[in-house]
Amino acid sequence: EAGVAQSPRYKIIEKRQSVAFWCNPISGHATLYWYQQILGQGPKLLIQFQNNGVVDDSQLPKDRFSAERLKGVDSTLKIQPAKLEDSAVYLCASSLDRGNEAFFGQGTRLTVV
Amino acid sequence: AQSVTQPDIHITVSEGASLELRCNYSYGATPYLFWYVQSPGQGLQLLLKYFSGDTLVQGIKGFEAEFKRSQSSFNLRKPSVHWSDAAEYFCAVGASGNEKLTFGTGTRLTIIP
Repeated sequence: EAGVAQSPRYKIIEKRQSVAFWCNPISGHATLYWYQQILGQGPKLLIQFQNNGVVDDSQLPKDRFSAERLKGVDSTLKIQPAKLEDSAVYLCASSLDRGNEAFFGQGTRLTVV
Repeated sequence: AQSVTQPDIHITVSEGASLELRCNYSYGATPYLFWYVQSPGQGLQLLLKYFSGDTLVQGIKGFEAEFKRSQSSFNLRKPSVHWSDAAEYFCAVGASGNEKLTFGTGTRLTIIP
């Protein structure tokens, strides 16, 4: 069974630029999560989708971050404009349904300079 | 608000020795508790979880954890570590299954020969 795929693996951008990350969850998984993991900290949930609807985006900085999950499969997370403090690993995870075990991708490491 | 404390930032253990990683949580109701492992450049992998029932939980890779409500703890143990156990370990608490997970800051485990 293929795991959660994320791209790119690494990205370096200058502050005030925009960036997008892509996530392809495990086939058939209805629930998709985006987490932000800053160096030295644990992952922090940014947004949770159930199919193509948002379940929880309470910790998403909506002035600069946006996410969508069109057709309830792939998802993109965008940052516009990026700040230095956005430097982190962005992890995507998916689960069969709400309450089931979440499987994580390898993450995208973002460096903002 | 729920929170997780992992008091040990870094632990060094000799190969073959026993291991205990500490985790304390704060949550108003019965918590859902998890331990994840993250190897360098990899996503998070679930080691074990506690939802209810037996307070001693067995996980993968020979790990176990014990839920102690009176101490608000969920410590991870392994009787004999292997060099491949070197990684970052995260404790997490959830409001409902895998949702709204709050992670600790992690404990980095180093194994010496």
